[in-house]
Amino acid sequence: DSGVTQTPKHLITATGQRVTLRCSPRSGDLSVYWYQQSLDQGLQFLIQYYNGEERAKGNILERFSAQQFPDLHSELNLSSLELGDSALYFCASSAWTSGSHTGELFFGEGSRLTVL
Amino acid sequence: ILNVEQSPQSLHVQEGDSTNFTCSFPSSNFYALHWYRWETAKSPEALFVMTLNGDEKKKGRISATLNTKEGYSYLYIKGSQPEDSATYLCAPNSAGNKLTFGGGTRVLVKP
Repeated sequence: DSGVTQTPKHLITATGQRVTLRCSPRSGDLSVYWYQQSLDQGLQFLIQYYNGEERAKGNILERFSAQQFPDLHSELNLSSLELGDSALYFCASSAWTSGSHTGELFFGEGSRLTVL
Repeated sequence: ILNVEQSPQSLHVQEGDSTNFTCSFPSSNFYALHWYRWETAKSPEALFVMTLNGDEKKKGRISATLNTKEGYSYLYIKGSQPEDSATYLCAPNSAGNKLTFGGGTRVLVKP
């Protein structure tokens, strides 16, 4: 158990719909990351938050947005869903702080989204 | 966006044999290199975080080396066992601990 909690574990929805994925980081971790794994693709970086602020952005579509709340949990919102958005979405957290060079990531179990 | 390459994409290893594979990454603006192990139906788990040129890390039968000047890292599995079957991911991190993952090397250990 990594200590990172993601909900829901599975989600099936239709094209055009909107969903919200939720992530609770490990206790004390300020940094939260979202990654997407599509079929036969590797882990694609979407976005990183640090202590409530957006820190880095990857190839995240404009239809997608995220935020990190004061209690440090994060939500990834996916709207106007398309078939190609079907993927496994991972959240990870890290004890990394802005004063250090690196910190390992602890991954949640992922949220599997299926768009029909 | 960092260009991270892992080779080979997959390999089959006979139980008891040793193997190794490569991660290549840009050598400029280096902060750290991470290795993760990702078993089927599970989440990636960190194996090593390496920061210094010449670093060598070991965990059981798995070890890794790092060359930051030329931008590569090797991961070695000694005496492979079926439980070593997994995808091994490397990820250099850029400023701010943003990790860019390579495509992974999928290892299948055959009994």
